[in-house]
Amino acid sequence: GAGVSQTPSNKVTEKGKYVELRCDPISGHTALYWYRQSLGQGPEFLIYFQGTGAADDSGLPNDRFFAVRPEGSVSTLKIQRTERGDSAVYLCASSRGGWSTDTQYFGPGTRLTVL
Amino acid sequence: AQSVTQPDIHITVSEGASLELRCNYSYGATPYLFWYVQSPGQGLQLLLKYFSGDTLVQGIKGFEAEFKRSQSSFNLRKPSVHWSDAAEYFCAVGPTGTASKLTFGTGTRLQVTL
Repeated sequence: GAGVSQTPSNKVTEKGKYVELRCDPISGHTALYWYRQSLGQGPEFLIYFQGTGAADDSGLPNDRFFAVRPEGSVSTLKIQRTERGDSAVYLCASSRGGWSTDTQYFGPGTRLTVL
Repeated sequence: AQSVTQPDIHITVSEGASLELRCNYSYGATPYLFWYVQSPGQGLQLLLKYFSGDTLVQGIKGFEAEFKRSQSSFNLRKPSVHWSDAAEYFCAVGPTGTASKLTFGTGTRLQVTL
């Protein structure tokens, strides 16, 4: 079946602009995660949704970052007033349910470059 | 707070040679442990995971890992490496119980020489 998809695959923007990154999870997966991977680093957790609600947003670095999942499926990560330090690969993952034993399946990521 | 250390940033092995990638974790209790592989242009793929029980776990692509509580380690091994194994490998730790975030190490880049 289809895996996790993310669009766009690449996004180049200018400092100060607003961007939206989209994630389509595996159909039927109730849990959705966003991670950020900077160059030479492992993925860092940003936010986790269970259904429509954000169950854990402790990884969002500041109030410029916001994510939604209004219908419990597709999620959008929104970044306001982008800064050069936001440049990274943004990864989305989904899992079947609400247990830590459920495997997280990752998408290919969106590479964000802020000029 | 949970953390993962992968002490080797880059490892080079010859095709056919054995491989061991190191992973040490810090966690207050027995964690759930994972190894993921990331190939260029590909998403992270789960190789194997440990939750409980037998401390030697088998994964895909001929990989295995051994959980050693006394050493807080979860090293990944493969008896004979193939050129297609060249990739970045990430160890991760997650809490038990309800779903939650994974904490990843910084990764080990594996290069395979022919």
